[in-house]
Amino acid sequence: DADVTQTPRNRITKTGKRIMLECSQTKGHDRMYWYRQDPGLGLRLIYYSFDVKDINKGEISDGYSVSRQAQAKFSLSLESAIPNQTALYFCATSSTSGADDTQYFGPGTRLTVL
Amino acid sequence: GESVGLHLPTLSVQEGDNSIINCAYSNSASDYFIWYKQESGKGPQFIIDIRSNMDKRQGQRVTVLLNKTVKHLSLQIAATQPGDSAVYFCAENRSGGSNYKLTFGKGTLLTVNP
Repeated sequence: DADVTQTPRNRITKTGKRIMLECSQTKGHDRMYWYRQDPGLGLRLIYYSFDVKDINKGEISDGYSVSRQAQAKFSLSLESAIPNQTALYFCATSSTSGADDTQYFGPGTRLTVL
Repeated sequence: GESVGLHLPTLSVQEGDNSIINCAYSNSASDYFIWYKQESGKGPQFIIDIRSNMDKRQGQRVTVLLNKTVKHLSLQIAATQPGDSAVYFCAENRSGGSNYKLTFGKGTLLTVNP
């Protein structure tokens, strides 16, 4: 969905490096989410944010941090990357206004930690 | 373990046939269910949803059935086409209200043979 963009799309890094994944949206949604996807598994929630001042941990937040710089931007950081953080990372957005509160996903970032 | 799971990890059908993808959930408090389609290299895409006060909901070529008695959800795709080939995820919402905290199943890979 072009309304939700993620950068970079692919990243290879080394153990111990700090990595930031960025997400931007033009949908005007107030809620944003970060998920990771591992082969054979469903998406698991890392962090979610209801607005700029409201950030919450998901089920697998250890080793990750986030920043909601603006309503349209939500970044995910790995302070010291480790190999088991190799995964596909997806950003999603949703709205609390109107009848449509569906989560819309970005195209994903493939992260490899060597 | 995950409360949202799938009976069949893979499904192969002939073009033109109907497809049925199943999903089980274990949380009686879940009140909102969603099916997503994920094509290779892309993020999950919303297909159809259903709330717990309904048993059936139809979209374009897709139907979702909810059986709360046995905690079972299914996605039916009519006249399956090659473009339907993807991984399909069910997700449940346990937040008891607005759709913000989804739990995803592991996914079913649907392959459509021409």
